[in-house]
Amino acid sequence: DAGITQSPRYKITETGRQVTLMCHQTWSHSYMFWYRQDLGHGLRLIYYSAAADITDKGEVPDGYVVSRSKTENFPLTLESATRSQTSVYFCASSRLAETQYFGPGTRLLVL
Amino acid sequence: AQTVTQSQPEMSVQEAETVTLSCTYDTSENNYYLFWYKQPPSRQMILVIRQEAYKQQNATENRFSVNFQKAAKSFSLKISDSQLGDTAMYFCAFRIGGGSEKLVFGKGMKLTVNP
Repeated sequence: DAGITQSPRYKITETGRQVTLMCHQTWSHSYMFWYRQDLGHGLRLIYYSAAADITDKGEVPDGYVVSRSKTENFPLTLESATRSQTSVYFCASSRLAETQYFGPGTRLLVL
Repeated sequence: AQTVTQSQPEMSVQEAETVTLSCTYDTSENNYYLFWYKQPPSRQMILVIRQEAYKQQNATENRFSVNFQKAAKSFSLKISDSQLGDTAMYFCAFRIGGGSEKLVFGKGMKLTVNP
């Protein structure tokens, strides 16, 4: 049972390029989330999804786009990457009213 | 808006000792959940313990227990018999009940367990 996986685990890109971070879960959890972790800020919610085709903004959504055509996948796209988007990105999933479980994270460096 | 505050950025403790990590939060809600997550050097986020606000009994999980003071909006984590593997970042987190699944995290604190 793979649980929740993220790919790639590490990514280096350049300013202005489009980048997509993938998240896949095998639990059939209805809820999925994207967080970013920066020093001094803890984890901050970017976007979340309550079900396929239902997404909503979190605390820091600017510069990001999400989609959820299938329950198990929740990709995060940086349409035009900026240096301020250098961060560690975590995907998480949960059932309604239950604990969120996190993926291993993706370290993104924008040059 | 809900906020979570972890006022101690860093702590260290000797192996086998007991340590308490503090967390306070601010909310006007009555139905909510509190969590402690651990992030070891591998960066994996691991749930340590969870507390439902409507439960008066403090949650415990083996060596980990909480002191939940609802009126004071305080949620501290006690680690007993500290082990080297407890060295990690610890994050306190809050979630409103009733269908809002969004977690609000504190900034975290670094715990080092020394041999």
